[in-house]
Amino acid sequence: QKEVEQNSGPLSVPEGAIASLNCTYSDRGSQSFFWYRQYSGKSPELIMFIYSNGDKEDGRFTAQLNKASQYVSLLIRDSQPSDSATYLCAVRNYGQNFVFGPGTRLSVLP
Amino acid sequence: DTGVSQDPRHKITKRGQNVTFRCDPISEHNRLYWYRQTLGQGPEFLTYFQNEAQLEKSRLLSDRFSAERPKGSFSTLEIQRTEQGDSAMYLCASSFHGPPGVREQYFGPGTRLTVT
Repeated sequence: QKEVEQNSGPLSVPEGAIASLNCTYSDRGSQSFFWYRQYSGKSPELIMFIYSNGDKEDGRFTAQLNKASQYVSLLIRDSQPSDSATYLCAVRNYGQNFVFGPGTRLSVLP
Repeated sequence: DTGVSQDPRHKITKRGQNVTFRCDPISEHNRLYWYRQTLGQGPEFLTYFQNEAQLEKSRLLSDRFSAERPKGSFSTLEIQRTEQGDSAMYLCASSFHGPPGVREQYFGPGTRLTVT
């Protein structure tokens, strides 16, 4: 079992819709959770982080964390074509390195 | 620009040659990470430093790879006797480690290595 799993996609949503991206992790000791956006040929860009169970909202982005289910998600409201990218989920256990999932490719169709 | 910087941005080398990459982290960050990323995959952890100390090195990292952070500021990653399988994007990231824990990690633009 991989440490961090994501559906590779592509996930296609129409412009203006809600995109839902999911991530599961295997290490129950994980404490910090991050979502990065990566455009083709570019480096990952941090867009959200969440440390506690529940929801965290930042503009059009909402991160949701459920540690009991070892599940973290990212919702993108009012999706725009510029949101088309690969979204990477990253998990960190205290004091250790960051482990990344393979990423989900999102395509927002105009 | 106060972000993470990497040099060079692109490197083409012939198999068997040595290459060295440099990373300058965000100035107040004490942790520095190196990752490798290939097409369609997430970043793969290679090693990280806290200040000048190398705290962890991936088991996947062969002896041909070495990294240093001599003064706790910039870091270098050297690959000796490059192989075609080393072709990838090499990413550097930095973060601040202190109470209450490690903060968010920010990436540099990466160095794309092509081994011919």
